[in-house]
Amino acid sequence: ETGVTQTPRHLVMGMTNKKSLKCEQHLGHNAMYWYKQSAKKPLELMFVYSLEERVENNSVPSRFSPECPNSSHLFLHLHTLQPEDSALYLCASSQVVRTPNGYTFGSGTRLTVV
Amino acid sequence: QKEVEQNSGPLSVPEGAIASLNCTYSDRGSQSFFWYRQYSGKSPELIMSIYSNGDKEDGRFTAQLNKASQYVSLLIRDSQPSDSATYLCAGQGGKLIFGQGTELSVKP
Repeated sequence: ETGVTQTPRHLVMGMTNKKSLKCEQHLGHNAMYWYKQSAKKPLELMFVYSLEERVENNSVPSRFSPECPNSSHLFLHLHTLQPEDSALYLCASSQVVRTPNGYTFGSGTRLTVV
Repeated sequence: QKEVEQNSGPLSVPEGAIASLNCTYSDRGSQSFFWYRQYSGKSPELIMSIYSNGDKEDGRFTAQLNKASQYVSLLIRDSQPSDSATYLCAGQGGKLIFGQGTELSVKP
């Protein structure tokens, strides 16, 4: 399998649930990212990892907890979310953080919080 | 102030026409610029990148960059209904920052 793979594709969860989003990249990249995409808003960068080390956390609420066990895998652990957290969550990867070549995105997880 | 700004549209053009998508950015430290295409319900797909002032052509797509004016554009020649999508402009300084996207509709 190639590219950036995200699972699950769709997720519906209650506000008291705990769930995790998974991302895997098969490109040999060293940097991985989580973005949030809400309707009619720009993609919001949430977290940046470079070689498993978190290098950026853009004021994201603590109910979102990232984990990067190795350079190919990235998780986003979710707990006690709010309805306004419903959005498309996109994982991306790049060769290095300051790449001139853009990012490759996964297909995203459509999250609905009820 | 938005860091990367696009007209959200929708922009509607007839099939075969030229579609012109525009983007401005505020971070003068941005060095690389990208256009992504996103079909409804799908993830963004990189279609063009540009790093130097001037034009860059790839098939029916031409990206234009003017760093003095902090302006990036994407021209799509001979627009096709399959080009109907949201086009995201992004600029990279320390990190990749996206605009809100312009929705393009190409009418047969």
